[in-house]
Amino acid sequence: GENVEQHPSTLSVQEGDSAVIKCTYSDSASNYFPWYKQELGKGPQLIIDIRSNVGEKKDQRIAVTLNKTAKHFSLHITETQPEDSAVYFCAARKGGSEKLVFGKGTKLTVNP
Amino acid sequence: NAGVTQTPKFQVLKTGQSMTLQCAQDMNHEYMSWYRQDPGMGLRLIHYSVGAGITDQGEVPNGYNVSRSTTEDFPLRLLSAAPSQTSVYFCASSYLGGSDTEAFFGQGTRLTVV
Repeated sequence: GENVEQHPSTLSVQEGDSAVIKCTYSDSASNYFPWYKQELGKGPQLIIDIRSNVGEKKDQRIAVTLNKTAKHFSLHITETQPEDSAVYFCAARKGGSEKLVFGKGTKLTVNP
Repeated sequence: NAGVTQTPKFQVLKTGQSMTLQCAQDMNHEYMSWYRQDPGMGLRLIHYSVGAGITDQGEVPNGYNVSRSTTEDFPLRLLSAAPSQTSVYFCASSYLGGSDTEAFFGQGTRLTVV
């Protein structure tokens, strides 16, 4: 089955710096790659997603890139703010399936 | 719009006790699923359902039962709780297929088995 690896497990940056979180997946049939943000005591919430027919997608300060050949995708957060501090999860889903396979998460801390 | 509602938010059980974690959604989503979240393990799929009357096992189904009698509700049952089931449980729902397949999560149930 699909396996999703996520790195790093923890990331600490200064406010205003950029943060990058990387994920790799194993199943070349995966075609949907969402990123979730989980704030303390809450459920994960979708922040951005990308499909396999697109190489990059941006939404204000966040962007996701996808390299299908290498089977990896990354989350980029620019001009980080303290409210970006949270746990971020990447996930992958195969075409024809509804099941999401999640990475183990990255705890991002943005220091003021 | 309530989205995905989980109850209870916190629960302490003794080993061997049974309980049901409730999950309800009001978005008419066909797909519903249960995950457990453990430190350093991410979110692991327990059971899922693609519609009323249809359920299937995920990655870690042992010790859990589910049923889906209505589109809105997807309860998770622990028949005989074990300390290994201490975890945070999340229910999620989404539409099936198509381009609008964002998964919406509930706020979670923190379960402690002593």
